[in-house]
Amino acid sequence: EAGVAQSPRYKIIEKRQSVAFWCNPISGHATLYWYQQILGQGPKLLIQFQNNGVVDDSQLPKDRFSAERLKGVDSTLKIQPAKLEDSAVYLCASSPGLAGVGEQFFGPGTRLTVL
Amino acid sequence: QKEVEQNSGPLSVPEGAIASLNCTYSDRGSQSFFWYRQYSGKSPELIMSIYSNGDKEDGRFTAQLNKASQYVSLLIRDSQPSDSATYLCAESYNTDKLIFGTGTRLQVFP
Repeated sequence: EAGVAQSPRYKIIEKRQSVAFWCNPISGHATLYWYQQILGQGPKLLIQFQNNGVVDDSQLPKDRFSAERLKGVDSTLKIQPAKLEDSAVYLCASSPGLAGVGEQFFGPGTRLTVL
Repeated sequence: QKEVEQNSGPLSVPEGAIASLNCTYSDRGSQSFFWYRQYSGKSPELIMSIYSNGDKEDGRFTAQLNKASQYVSLLIRDSQPSDSATYLCAESYNTDKLIFGTGTRLQVFP
């Protein structure tokens, strides 16, 4: 079974530029998550999708971050414009979405450096 | 504000010893708890889940949950250098959202 795929793996941009990350979850997984992990910290949830609907985006900085999951499969996360403090690893995770199932499967992440 | 607290470490233990990792949480309503392992430069992977008070064993790993004290721990027996990683404690609310602690870095030296 293929795991969660993410691209690109690394991205370096200047502040105020825009950037987009892509995620393909495990086939059949209804729930998709985007996390931000700053060095030395645990992952912080940015947004959760159930199929193609947003379940929770309470911690997404909506003035600069946006995300979509068209057709309930792939997802993209965009930052526009980027700030220095956005430097982090952006992790995508998926889960079957069944009640009581807490395991989430993580992709390899995209390491973003904002200069 | 739900919080999960962990000592960032590093926790250094000799090979073959028991490593004890601890975690406290703020929300008495939390039902499920997870330990994820994250190697440097890699993504987290689930190693243990625990839902009820007491101990749960899986190979060299034992998770312990004490809901009255809002305390979760992970014991790693016969620690190996390959266990050196950051261990993230997470709690689940609404069954499908995770809140992670900052992680404890474990170093197992030969």
